[in-house]
Amino acid sequence: GAGVSQSPSNKVTEKGKDVELRCDPISGHTALYWYRQSLGQGLEFLIYFQGNSAPDKSGLPSDRFSAERTGGSVSTLTIQRTQQEDSAVYLCASSLATALEHGYTFGSGTRLTVV
Amino acid sequence: GIQVEQSPPDLILQEGANSTLRCNFSDSVNNLQWFHQNPWGQLINLFYIPSGTKQNGRLSATTVATERYSLLYISSSQTTDSGVYFCAVGYNFNKFYFGSGTKLNVKP
Repeated sequence: GAGVSQSPSNKVTEKGKDVELRCDPISGHTALYWYRQSLGQGLEFLIYFQGNSAPDKSGLPSDRFSAERTGGSVSTLTIQRTQQEDSAVYLCASSLATALEHGYTFGSGTRLTVV
Repeated sequence: GIQVEQSPPDLILQEGANSTLRCNFSDSVNNLQWFHQNPWGQLINLFYIPSGTKQNGRLSATTVATERYSLLYISSSQTTDSGVYFCAVGYNFNKFYFGSGTKLNVKP
């Protein structure tokens, strides 16, 4: 597509439920990244994909968080047994790994609220 | 990880004024990006600038990697420039460390 698409745009869930967040990167972008932004804060790195593999998942905050990418395209971030501290905006970005001069392109994010 | 400090944290300008935003980082990096987050939360890449100087319209950026800082210049500011400006740095392209941002409010 023309841009990075994320869904849903908003998600309200009850504490303890599982949620899935989806990211559809720009067509042809081999690199995909997940970040999260808590209210009024900077961005916190979660995980990076190159193709379908995740060479760097060092930012995942706990084993309740997991992510996968299939077909070198769509990625899903799953949070199990959600907690209130998981409330944040989850942002996905993609890039052409070799086109460094273009940098990242971010999606509009998924605002997750755990009640 | 790399520490990224941005200054000032908050900035209020009158429309038409110029400003300089600063980004200091704690370690040698080979990648640096500047982003603008508009009031609706959308992040827009302004510059990919690991070194040197780039200009795009009223915006320009300079990175001096050996001295571990980058500057973002905004000239003739407009109300649409309001939002938060983030600097992000990294060793390579797989992970960027973001600063806490400079919140800019341009008044008409």
